[in-house]
Amino acid sequence: AQSVTQPDIHITVSEGASLELRCNYSYGATPYLFWYVQSPGQGLQLLLKYFSGDTLVQGIKGFEAEFKRSQSSFNLRKPSVHWSDAAEYFCAVVSPLSGGYQKVTFGTGTKLQVIP
Amino acid sequence: SQTIHQWPATLVQPVGSPLSLECTVEGTSNPNLYWYRQAAGRGLQLLFYSVGIGQISSEVPQNLSASRPQDRQFILSSKKLLLSDSGFYLCAWSYRASSPLHFGNGTRLTVT
Repeated sequence: AQSVTQPDIHITVSEGASLELRCNYSYGATPYLFWYVQSPGQGLQLLLKYFSGDTLVQGIKGFEAEFKRSQSSFNLRKPSVHWSDAAEYFCAVVSPLSGGYQKVTFGTGTKLQVIP
Repeated sequence: SQTIHQWPATLVQPVGSPLSLECTVEGTSNPNLYWYRQAAGRGLQLLFYSVGIGQISSEVPQNLSASRPQDRQFILSSKKLLLSDSGFYLCAWSYRASSPLHFGNGTRLTVT
């Protein structure tokens, strides 16, 4: 069964500092991976996605993520964090199933706090 | 472009009352549709998904039901709400397999 682990429940960084949010997955084949961001009281917004090809993917808002098959990881990074990046971040793995359906498994999320 | 609408944004209902949350998608046809619940500290729990009109699959047994009366309409219902039904409910859609989910803005349900 597929699973996603986000080992950090809560992270605090200073504005302007770099950020790395960890995500480890368990899946038997090549995974489809996503990162989402959720502001308080809002839905989830897609930041970036990995399907295949280049293992470093660029997303919106200056985020990027690197797929490392050997480590079963898909960590999210940003070189310089802005106060507006304070939110909760979710990693997800998707596997296609028969009948046009797909199984989506989310991690439990990492809450990011940005301090001045 | 595709948009997803979910309403109401907030809802306070007494225990034992019925529930109806609605979600509609515009700008695409025959999407996969999903209902998730997000409880504090428990991440995202998939409640129902649908690959077509009248086709509903449930992930967990519960006090809730879902229906898809039209291609781009997904409804979450309950006949009698429980306190444990409180939470943040999210509707989402996707294209067919191996595509990202696109979420609505959610409904905050408080059962009192």
